[in-house]
Amino acid sequence: EAGVAQSPRYKIIEKRQSVAFWCNPISGHATLYWYQQILGQGPKLLIQFQNNGVVDDSQLPKDRFSAERLKGVDSTLKIQPAKLEDSAVYLCASSARGPRTGELFFGEGSRLTVL
Amino acid sequence: SQQGEEDPQALSIQEGENATMNCSYKTSINNLQWYRQNSGRGLVHLILIRSNEREKHSGRLRVTLDTSKKSSSLLITASRAADTASYFCATDASGGAQKLVFGQGTRLTINP
Repeated sequence: EAGVAQSPRYKIIEKRQSVAFWCNPISGHATLYWYQQILGQGPKLLIQFQNNGVVDDSQLPKDRFSAERLKGVDSTLKIQPAKLEDSAVYLCASSARGPRTGELFFGEGSRLTVL
Repeated sequence: SQQGEEDPQALSIQEGENATMNCSYKTSINNLQWYRQNSGRGLVHLILIRSNEREKHSGRLRVTLDTSKKSSSLLITASRAADTASYFCATDASGGAQKLVFGQGTRLTINP
């Protein structure tokens, strides 16, 4: 079974530029999550999709971050314009249902450095 | 905001010893999960314990849950160098949206 795929693995941009990250979850997984992990900290949930609907985006900085999950499969997370404090690893995860019923499967992450 | 808080933040032990990590949380939960993260990699699920369970085992892992104290512990027995990683607890709070909130993690180093 193929795991959660993310790209790119690494990205370096200047502040105020834009960046996009892509995630392809495990086939058949209805729930998709984007987490932000700053160095030395635990992952922070940015947005959670159930199929192509948003379940929770309470911690997504909506003035600069956006995410979509077209057709309930793969997803894109965009940052525009980027700030220095956005430097982090962006982790995508998926689960067959939701966290109440089981485990999350994580991708390797996309490491963003904002200069 | 982070729900779980791990203790200690860092732990260094000799290979073969047991490692114990603790997690405390603030609100009632449906389940609590433990994950491992090797440096530069994604998180890997280790074990899930539901609010009506008190203890679970998986190989060299033993997890306990005390809902009255709002705390959990992860015990790794007979540690190996390959166990060197960060360990995170994550809670699914009861009521409200289903979402998993992670703690800050414990950095475990196993010395050969």
